[in-house]
Amino acid sequence: EAGVTQFPSHSVIEKGQTVTLRCDPISGHDNLYWYRRVMGKEIKFLLHFVKESKQDESGMPNNRFLAERTGGTYSTLKVQPAELEDSGVYFCASSQKSEQYFGPGTRLTVT
Amino acid sequence: AQSVTQLDSQVPVFEEAPVELRCNYSSSVSVYLFWYVQYPNQGLQLLLKYLSGSTLVKGINGFEAEFNKSQTSFHLRKPSVHISDTAEYFCAVSGGRTGGFKTIFGAGTRLFVKA
Repeated sequence: EAGVTQFPSHSVIEKGQTVTLRCDPISGHDNLYWYRRVMGKEIKFLLHFVKESKQDESGMPNNRFLAERTGGTYSTLKVQPAELEDSGVYFCASSQKSEQYFGPGTRLTVT
Repeated sequence: AQSVTQLDSQVPVFEEAPVELRCNYSSSVSVYLFWYVQYPNQGLQLLLKYLSGSTLVKGINGFEAEFNKSQTSFHLRKPSVHISDTAEYFCAVSGGRTGGFKTIFGAGTRLFVKA
């Protein structure tokens, strides 16, 4: 069974540009989460989808971040326009019950 | 609100020595507790989890953790570490028994195993 996959693994963009991160959850998992870790800090929750609906988006830092989950399958997280403080590692996770399975993360560098 | 405190940011230890990574949490509801490991340039991997039942939980790679409700702790232990255990370890908590809740992470503990 394939695990959670994320694309790209690494992205380097300039301040002001747009970046879209993608997450493919484990097939059949209704719950999908986004987290991020900025340099030296803890991993923080961004938002939670149940199927295609946003269940909890309390961790989204501001309106430059937009997450979607079309048809309840894969999800995208768009950052527009990117700022320097958005640099970090963005993790996606999926679950059916209590255990979340994490993807390898996307390392975003904004210069 | 839930929170997780990992008491040590870095733990250096010699190979074959025992190690304990400390974790305390706070929550007003029953929680699930987890330890994750992140090896260099890799994603998060689940080491072990406490959902209910026995308070001593055994995980992969010889790690174990003990849930102590009165002390709100979930310390991770290994009796003899290897060089390959060098990684960053995260304690985490999620709430509820219906699943589908966000996970709150500690700041991480970097374990350095020296020869």
